[in-house]
Amino acid sequence: DVKVTQSSRYLVKRTGEKVFLECVQDMDHENMFWYRQDPGLGLRLIYFSYDVKMKEKGDIPEGYSVSREKKERFSLILESASTNQTSMYLCASSSRPELFFGEGSRLTVL
Amino acid sequence: RKEVEQDPGPFNVPEGATVAFNCTYSNSASQSFFWYRQDCRKEPKLLMSVYSSGNEDGRFTAQLNRASQYISLLIRDSKLSDSATYLCVVRNDMRFGAGTRLTVKP
Repeated sequence: DVKVTQSSRYLVKRTGEKVFLECVQDMDHENMFWYRQDPGLGLRLIYFSYDVKMKEKGDIPEGYSVSREKKERFSLILESASTNQTSMYLCASSSRPELFFGEGSRLTVL
Repeated sequence: RKEVEQDPGPFNVPEGATVAFNCTYSNSASQSFFWYRQDCRKEPKLLMSVYSSGNEDGRFTAQLNRASQYISLLIRDSKLSDSATYLCVVRNDMRFGAGTRLTVKP
């Protein structure tokens, strides 16, 4: 069965902290994505990766970075968390055409 | 203009009703389109692809209008279990619409 696993379902961090959100997929997909979802705004693409060590900016990369050292793992990093980064973060991987999503990580920055 | 725009909703319909959602896109070169369904506090899951000729899956019909740059989703004979948020996706751009919330009431 298809599986995309996000490391934490709920996180609470303080402003200025460095935050790591981990995503692992077991389907050998090349493509992986990070989105954030906010009420009324839908899913907005932060970063994506087509292969190991490759990354591309999405629509809202500011304040975020990513790491893809292994094919199965795609990490989202908030270098210095801010309150406006409080959101639901969704990781996805794909073999065209379908995107498979993890369950999401709800981050609250205080 | 946003790259992908959806009817804002919410749509509140009685069981058995027919309801339709539209989604417009701005990139005329877009090739792949999909509808996803997202239940409350869950991740989005693929509902159906949208093909140029239109396609049907049971009570669900998806259509693409390239000339006017929109896709549509029609749900016939609505069930309570259809209550969810429906997201359109322009796949090659990896862009989602904001979603349309549907509530089907008894």
